[in-house]
Amino acid sequence: DSGVTQTPKHLITATGQRVTLRCSPRSGDLSVYWYQQSLDQGLQFLIQYYNGEERAKGNILERFSAQQFPDLHSELNLSSLELGDSALYFCASSVGDLATNEKLFFGSGTQLSVL
Amino acid sequence: AQTVTQSQPEMSVQEAETVTLSCTYDTSESDYYLFWYKQPPSRQMILVIRQEAYKQQNATENRFSVNFQKAAKSFSLKISDSQLGDAAMYFCAYRSGYSGYALNFGKGTSLLVTP
Repeated sequence: DSGVTQTPKHLITATGQRVTLRCSPRSGDLSVYWYQQSLDQGLQFLIQYYNGEERAKGNILERFSAQQFPDLHSELNLSSLELGDSALYFCASSVGDLATNEKLFFGSGTQLSVL
Repeated sequence: AQTVTQSQPEMSVQEAETVTLSCTYDTSESDYYLFWYKQPPSRQMILVIRQEAYKQQNATENRFSVNFQKAAKSFSLKISDSQLGDAAMYFCAYRSGYSGYALNFGKGTSLLVTP
């Protein structure tokens, strides 16, 4: 158990809908990262938050947004869902912002299926 | 952007034998970190081993070791005394030491361990 908690584990929805994925980082970790894993694109970095502020952005679509709350949990919001958004969404956390040599701890992921 | 290539989609090894998974990367940076992650059927991403580019000595973690060839931009993972529990997807990943937030992952190698 990495200590990173993601809910829900599975999510099935329809095209055009909006969903929210939740992540609770390890106790004491200030950074949260979101990754998308799909069969065609592999594992892609979406976005990072550090202590409530956006720190880095990757290949995140405009239909997607995220935030980190004062209690450090994070939510990834996916809207106007398309079939191609079906993927495994990982959250990861670290103590700092990975500017130094730190370990990244991954949650078990949320499997999103868009029908 | 840095690219990570894993040329072996699938590998097979017998229990107690040794297997080597290949990874090459493309970068013009001198400061970076390389990782091997394991993803078992549980989907959890588990850090196997980490190598700092500035270190000449190859990293070792119990039965797992790497062959880091900086000039050749090669980072292979050797698993000794393979166990059934080693069966998983293995991902090679790169992280910049300059803008070190995102992990760039390879497409992965599926390792099958046979009794």
